[in-house]
Amino acid sequence: DVKVTQSSRYLVKRTGEKVFLECVQDMDHENMFWYRQDPGLGLRLIYFSYDVKMKEKGDIPEGYSVSREKKERFSLILESASTNQTSMYLCASSLYSGRGGEQYFGPGTRLTVT
Amino acid sequence: AQTVTQSQPEMSVQEAETVTLSCTYDTSESDYYLFWYKQPPSRQMILVIRQEAYKQQNATENRFSVNFQKAAKSFSLKISDSQLGDAAMYFCAYRAAGNKLTFGGGTRVLVKP
Repeated sequence: DVKVTQSSRYLVKRTGEKVFLECVQDMDHENMFWYRQDPGLGLRLIYFSYDVKMKEKGDIPEGYSVSREKKERFSLILESASTNQTSMYLCASSLYSGRGGEQYFGPGTRLTVT
Repeated sequence: AQTVTQSQPEMSVQEAETVTLSCTYDTSESDYYLFWYKQPPSRQMILVIRQEAYKQQNATENRFSVNFQKAAKSFSLKISDSQLGDAAMYFCAYRAAGNKLTFGGGTRVLVKP
């Protein structure tokens, strides 16, 4: 079974703090993704990576950056957390575009910025 | 840009009955994939069913089936013989060339015993 894990289930941070969310997958997938999930808005793509050290902006990259130094690990960084970044953050991975490119999701990190 | 719309924020169904979730999408592509994902309360999101646009036959996975209407850009999910474990958020998603998924806003399914 594909396993995608995220470093924390719940996180509380203060405004202005630098926040790191980590994601690890164990199936040697090329592609990794970070989404944020908000009620009524579904999942919105923040950034994705299709290879080590490669990244592309998603639909809402402002206020975020990412790092992928190893194939299995994809980190989301909030340089200076703000209250409007309070949300559920989901990580996902996929093998490649073939066969529909099914994405496998982690359990999510619920981040609260106060 | 592609958009995915789920017009039903919440649906309620009696156990053992059938419920249909609607999804419409907007695209100018001819080759793409459509997905339904399930997110149970406090649990990980999982893939329920996948449809390839070039296939006319509707996909089926056990009690889950889709009604794919390409011309109408409609992709509904039918859950038959609903079970308590079907209670979850359901997301419709679209993917064309590349790796990016576009999700709808989600529909919460409540199952009444």
